[in-house]
Amino acid sequence: EIQLVESGGGLVQPGGSLRLSCVVSGLTFSDYWMHWVRQVPGKGLVWVSRIKTDGSFTSYADSVKGRFTISRDNAKNTLYLQMNNLRAEDTAVYYCAVEKWYPDLWGRGTLVTVSS
Amino acid sequence: DIVMTQSPDSLAVSLGERATINCKSSQSILKSSSNKNHLAWYQQKPGQPPKVLISWASTRESGVPDRFTGSGSGTDFTLTINSLQAEDVAGYYCHQYYSDPFTFGPGTKVDI
Repeated sequence: EIQLVESGGGLVQPGGSLRLSCVVSGLTFSDYWMHWVRQVPGKGLVWVSRIKTDGSFTSYADSVKGRFTISRDNAKNTLYLQMNNLRAEDTAVYYCAVEKWYPDLWGRGTLVTVSS
Repeated sequence: DIVMTQSPDSLAVSLGERATINCKSSQSILKSSSNKNHLAWYQQKPGQPPKVLISWASTRESGVPDRFTGSGSGTDFTLTINSLQAEDVAGYYCHQYYSDPFTFGPGTKVDI
């Protein structure tokens, strides 16, 4: 069974940092591009970032470019999202997803709350 | 960046009736080399992650009921839910994977 489990969310003050993790099991992690997508509770989906199989290519939404960094450790089957200089508008549930041309298999998400 | 828009924002449909959701991209997402539209439709029920219903604008994912149909090409796309069932109450999102940065439409909420 394929599983994606996000962790690392929580309450952080504006300007602070947080690192999210996504552990993937049930497939060969290093074969797949990976994504982060976020969603303010009750609102729509917003694509955040994606990374190539070997980490050599990354892409970001304009709203997070320069503040967020996506990375992966294929030996640990883990995807990361380093989030710096967090703003109130970054408050959301963050999902990781396995790509099959498009985000296909999703985790259940981890909630990030940016508030003083 | 490609901007995705959807209409309507929400709609209420009687059980057994048809729901139609429209999605428009700010530029063509038809890749000429493959003649494929890089568009997916997702369904999201409360408290759950999204689930892919349709890829390549019109290809139903495995296990998706055939009452869900995707159509369109270029910049204009439609998701049709025929004979709406109670379990179809959800949010529906279109998504372009034609070019980075990928983008989602704002979503359409379907109620009974």
